[in-house]
Order: sequence, then structure tokens, then C-alpha cells
Amino acid sequence: AQKITQTQPGMFVQEKEAVTLDCTYDTSDQSYGLFWYKQPSSGEMIFLIYQGSYDEQNATEGRYSLNFQKARKSANLVISASQLGDSAMYFCAMREVFGNEKLTFGTGTRLTIIP
Amino acid sequence: EAGVTQSPTHLIKTRGQQATLRCSPISGHTSVYWYQQALGLGLQFLLWYDEGEERNRGNFPPRFSGRQFPNYSSELNVNALELEDSALYLCASSPGTGGWMNTEAFFGQGTRLTVV
Repeated sequence: AQKITQTQPGMFVQEKEAVTLDCTYDTSDQSYGLFWYKQPSSGEMIFLIYQGSYDEQNATEGRYSLNFQKARKSANLVISASQLGDSAMYFCAMREVFGNEKLTFGTGTRLTIIP
Repeated sequence: EAGVTQSPTHLIKTRGQQATLRCSPISGHTSVYWYQQALGLGLQFLLWYDEGEERNRGNFPPRFSGRQFPNYSSELNVNALELEDSALYLCASSPGTGGWMNTEAFFGQGTRLTVV
């Protein structure tokens, strides 16, 4: 079974609008961490935001926020006031207590910001 | 502070040859992870090294191997290269085991391996 599911292969969003990138996950662990990374065309993976499974509040980092719904096992990334530089691939990832430290990634969403 | 550095940036090899990819983690980080990202696909976990030992490996054949040196830098070796090994190989580092839950892995810029 897929550990991390990103159902949106591609999205087009008008500049300055907000965008939500979907991510659902599957784990039987009680302790886990959820991460979002941005990958521009250069290839480097850029860390955006982290949410711990025990965190009661949704994580926020500048224009990025994570809409964490534990019961639904979803961890959607919200980008407010999108900018042209936000155009990139976005990956959701999970780290589990019994996952031997590795990050498990989803297949990604290609976000394109339209001027 | 220097980030994760990988070399070379690009590598072109012939089928059947061996490729060696290198990674230097962020200073103070003891864990190094290797991922393969084939064109248009997500990241597939390859190997995890911590404190010089292989801690975990992904679902890849034995011709993918590596090691971690005393200074925590790492090498990924791919033997008997096949065309489908063409991919972006990303290295990441993190502070290591213990207290890791909220520590993101910092990635290098990757090595793009092309097998012809």
C-alpha cells in the first residue's frame, strides 16, 4: 500500500491566489513526522515545513501552512499569496518511528503559477 | 555554513561500467541518506548510513552499495550499470539517531547520472 499519496500530478494557479496541495498518508505508528519539500527545476530538495504527529497546532512557516487532520491521515500544504517562484515540484514525506529513519516520499505535485 | 555537497554534478557512463557518487554532509551531521529519483518519479530510498554503518537499505539490487567514512562523508557505488539506472541521485544528511523526529533531512543538489 502507498505510504504517501499525492493525488494531484499537476496544478495551475493564478499568481497571488492561495493553493492547497493534497497529501494523505498511511501508518500504524503513533509517532511520526510529516514533511513538505519543494524541488525546483535545479533538482535540489528544499525543506518547507514539518508537522509532528503529536503537535496539536498546525505548523506554519511564512506563507506555508500545513493543514493537519490526524483522523483523516491528511497533511495538506497551503501556500498563501502564490508567487511565480513557487512554480516547482512539491513532495510530501513521512518519517516513522519504526521506519528506520528514512523519509518516504509521495510522487509529487507539479505546481505552475500563472502570471 | 556549508550545506550538503555532492559530486560530480553530472556523470555519463556506459552500460556495464561502474559509477561512484560522493556526498559530504553538513558539519555535525552523522546520518547520510541516498535516494534515487528517476525521471518524472518520486524519490526512492536507497541507503542510510549512520556513524559509519549501513543502517537500512531500500529495495534495490546488491550492485547498489556504498559506505560512510570516518568524517561522515559517503560514497554510493553502482556496479554493472544499466540504462534504467539513469536518474538524479540525491544525498541528504541529518543530525543522526535520537531526537530525530522533527529534524528534517537537508538535501544536496544531486548527481545526475546518465547511462548510455
